Amino acid sequence: ETGVTQTPRHLVMGMTNKKSLKCEQHLGHNAMYWYKQSAKKPLELMFVYSLEERVENNSVPSRFSPECPNSSHLFLHLHTLQPEDSALYLCASSPAASYNEQFFGPGTRLTVL
Amino acid sequence: GENVEQHPSTLSVQEGDSAVIKCTYSDSASNYFPWYKQELGKRPQLIIDIRSNVGEKKDQRIAVTLNKTAKHFSLHITETQPEDSAVYFCAASKRDSSASKIIFGSGTRLSIRP
Repeated sequence: ETGVTQTPRHLVMGMTNKKSLKCEQHLGHNAMYWYKQSAKKPLELMFVYSLEERVENNSVPSRFSPECPNSSHLFLHLHTLQPEDSALYLCASSPAASYNEQFFGPGTRLTVL
Repeated sequence: GENVEQHPSTLSVQEGDSAVIKCTYSDSASNYFPWYKQELGKRPQLIIDIRSNVGEKKDQRIAVTLNKTAKHFSLHITETQPEDSAVYFCAASKRDSSASKIIFGSGTRLSIRP
């Protein structure tokens, strides 16, 4: 157990639904990340939060909306997704910057119908 | 833009032989280079990393080399074993005033033939 948990582990949603992914880390880290993993782009960084402030947003469509209420929790709010958004969404945390090892969660397998 | 290229995309080696995976990066300010291993159905996990003040680092059967002038780094696995079968990702990162920039390579699927 790496200390990073994600819920739900699997999610199936329609294109008009609104859902949220949750990530929690118990490692005392200050930085948290969302990644998208698909066959096309194996590890694509989406968002980075450092001390609860978003510091990276890699041209992600607005239908993905992150939230970091504190340094232990990270959410990814989803609305009006497209089928091509189906992927594994991985959360990670690190002590500070990406200059350090990142600890990944188990991921949420998302399917958009 | 900044990117990391990783080769080969797939690699099959005989058990006991060595495997080498190579990456090149574009941002000369990158100074941290981790390698992650992702087994089937599992999360990526760090196996080794190197910082720009060293040229080589070794941990048992795994070694990483870094050539900052040429902007490339490589992962070497010796005496490969079945449990080495996985997807391996390289990454390049730099420390600056914000949390990151980290860019991952596209991954190498390594298969060990018995």
